[in-house]
Amino acid sequence: EAQVTQNPRYLITVTGKKLTVTCSQNMNHEYMSWYRQDPGLGLRQIYYSMNVEVTDKGDVPEGYKVSRKEKRNFPLILESPSPNQTSLYFCASSPSWTGMNIQYFGAGTRLSVL
Amino acid sequence: KQEVTQIPAALSVPEGENLVLNCSFTDSAIYNLQWFRQDPGKGLTSLLLIQSSQREQTSGRLNASLDKSSGRSTLYIAASQPGDSATYLCAVSGATNKLIFGTGTLLAVQP
Repeated sequence: EAQVTQNPRYLITVTGKKLTVTCSQNMNHEYMSWYRQDPGLGLRQIYYSMNVEVTDKGDVPEGYKVSRKEKRNFPLILESPSPNQTSLYFCASSPSWTGMNIQYFGAGTRLSVL
Repeated sequence: KQEVTQIPAALSVPEGENLVLNCSFTDSAIYNLQWFRQDPGKGLTSLLLIQSSQREQTSGRLNASLDKSSGRSTLYIAASQPGDSATYLCAVSGATNKLIFGTGTLLAVQP
């Protein structure tokens, strides 16, 4: 089954404790991205990747890091989480970056930073 | 800066009614427009994708239209069912494939 898988689904952590949210897709997609969803603000892009070893900032990249060493994986790293990073996070993928394709989303990761 | 607005923010209708959800965007230079459905505890599911050169797309009871020049899209749902209850999100795609989302319309279909 074609899917985008995020782990963990729920995470509670404390300020400053490094964490990684994993994202994996099994569709051989070139393009992957991360979004966060906050009440009243909607979904906003954090980082995106057009292919292996090619990443760039989205609209709200502060406090986050990403890497794309393999085509299928695109982890989101919070080096020193802060309470304002409490949010619902989504990973997405699509066949290419050209804007011609449907984007597929994972089930989401709900993160609480205390 | 692209901004996407969805009206209404919430809608409650009786089962069987036809309904229209609205989406507007400020910059007509888009690559495509997608309508998504979001269910609590689940991710976003793509319902329809309209390329910038197209005027509408249909899938089952859903029909989405796009008027790029006026910056508007509508999602028409025919013969609504309780299972259609969800949040519906509109998103436009520009260069780099970034999606700019509206804040959604929360739909409740009453049995």
